[in-house]
Amino acid sequence: DAGVIQSPRHEVTEMGQEVTLRCKPISGHDYLFWYRQTMMRGLELLIYFNNNVPIDDSGMPEDRFSAKMPNASFSTLKIQPSEPRDSAVYFCASSFWDNYGYTFGSGTRLTVV
Amino acid sequence: AQTVTQSQPEMSVQEAETVTLSCTYDTSESDYYLFWYKQPPSRQMILVIRQEAYKQQNATENRFSVNFQKAAKSFSLKISDSQLGDAAMYFCAYSPSGAGSYQLTFGKGTKLSVIP
Repeated sequence: DAGVIQSPRHEVTEMGQEVTLRCKPISGHDYLFWYRQTMMRGLELLIYFNNNVPIDDSGMPEDRFSAKMPNASFSTLKIQPSEPRDSAVYFCASSFWDNYGYTFGSGTRLTVV
Repeated sequence: AQTVTQSQPEMSVQEAETVTLSCTYDTSESDYYLFWYKQPPSRQMILVIRQEAYKQQNATENRFSVNFQKAAKSFSLKISDSQLGDAAMYFCAYSPSGAGSYQLTFGKGTKLSVIP
């Protein structure tokens, strides 16, 4: 398996623009997680899905953030409109039900100018 | 809410020596999972080792081992025979064990440097 695949690897956008981050989890994994990493706040859970259903989105910072998982092999995290304080590395991770640890993607570094 | 604390922002070790990274956590649960993740400069988060709280035996993976002290809520990582490739950020993480409760709470990390 190619692992968890995220795209793009880097994204630079202007304030106010819509940003869409993409994730393909490992085939067969039941859980998908979106995390954000910043120097100030570390790694924060934004939202996670179980069998394509959102379970906990309490970490989504604002209504500007939304996430979808239309099928077992694809998820998106959208920010609209983007702001400079959204600049961070966004990780997608997936896991089996047995909680043997996540497999992370390589992350998307988002810069909003 | 669970919290994970890594009190050493930075550490260094001589190549081939042993180093121990500290982690403490706070929880009212009796069963849970603990993890150490490594993040090298490439940014990729890599699972190093996992410990189930109900197991008294400390987990070991090759040169990596943990010292799990449940009563003290302590979970340290020992790296033996350190190699240059071990240089990275190391994150301690906690996860509840209930079905569907797999979200990880991470510490702020320890940056490990390996001196040749």
